[in-house]
Amino acid sequence: GDSVTQMEGPVTLSEEAFLTINCTYTATGYPSLFWYVQYPGEGLQLLLKATKADDKGSNKGFEATYRKETTSFHLEKGSVQVSDSAVYFCALSDPTVSGSARQLTFGSGIQLTVLP
Amino acid sequence: DTGVSQDPRHKITKRGQNVTFRCDPISEHNRLYWYRQTLGQGPEFLTYFQNEAQLEKSRLLSDRFSAERPKGSFSTLEIQRTEQGDSAMYLCASSLGSTTNEQYFGPGTRLTVT
Repeated sequence: GDSVTQMEGPVTLSEEAFLTINCTYTATGYPSLFWYVQYPGEGLQLLLKATKADDKGSNKGFEATYRKETTSFHLEKGSVQVSDSAVYFCALSDPTVSGSARQLTFGSGIQLTVLP
Repeated sequence: DTGVSQDPRHKITKRGQNVTFRCDPISEHNRLYWYRQTLGQGPEFLTYFQNEAQLEKSRLLSDRFSAERPKGSFSTLEIQRTEQGDSAMYLCASSLGSTTNEQYFGPGTRLTVT
């Protein structure tokens, strides 16, 4: 079945450092890909998305490119801030498998801590 | 703010008791989802409604779990005869069912079964 694999965490960076969080997926069909962020005490927020190969999703300085050849959707940011400290989840929605529901399949998440 | 809301935010109950959670989706969204999230894991799909119809249920949803969405607006998730293994965060999400079907999540209800 479909699955999402995220790099093991946690990740601790200094402010202004470059961030990469790896995400790879396995899917039967041609999924849409998402990154969600969960700030302390808050619900999941959609950070960015991509729906087809070579699409680049971007938001708040974060970017991720849909790479079909490597089945990856790595999250990057050029200069992180303390306020970026949160848990980041990679997810996919595969209409081939989920049918009408098109539910999300999530990775296990990774905790990012940015130090001043 | 007219995002997804959930009530209560926290629930502590004793094993064997019944609990009910409520979710109010974004008003124009016709799709509603329930997920369960345990510590250190990503959310896992439980069930899905399109308008008032419950169209899919995960194998995670045992017979003790029931969900409704009367009139296609708010939804409730009931757990009967709670067990310690039910302790988790229960998340509700809604969407418009667009091509990408972006889902918007509520803050969740954290259930602790003692």
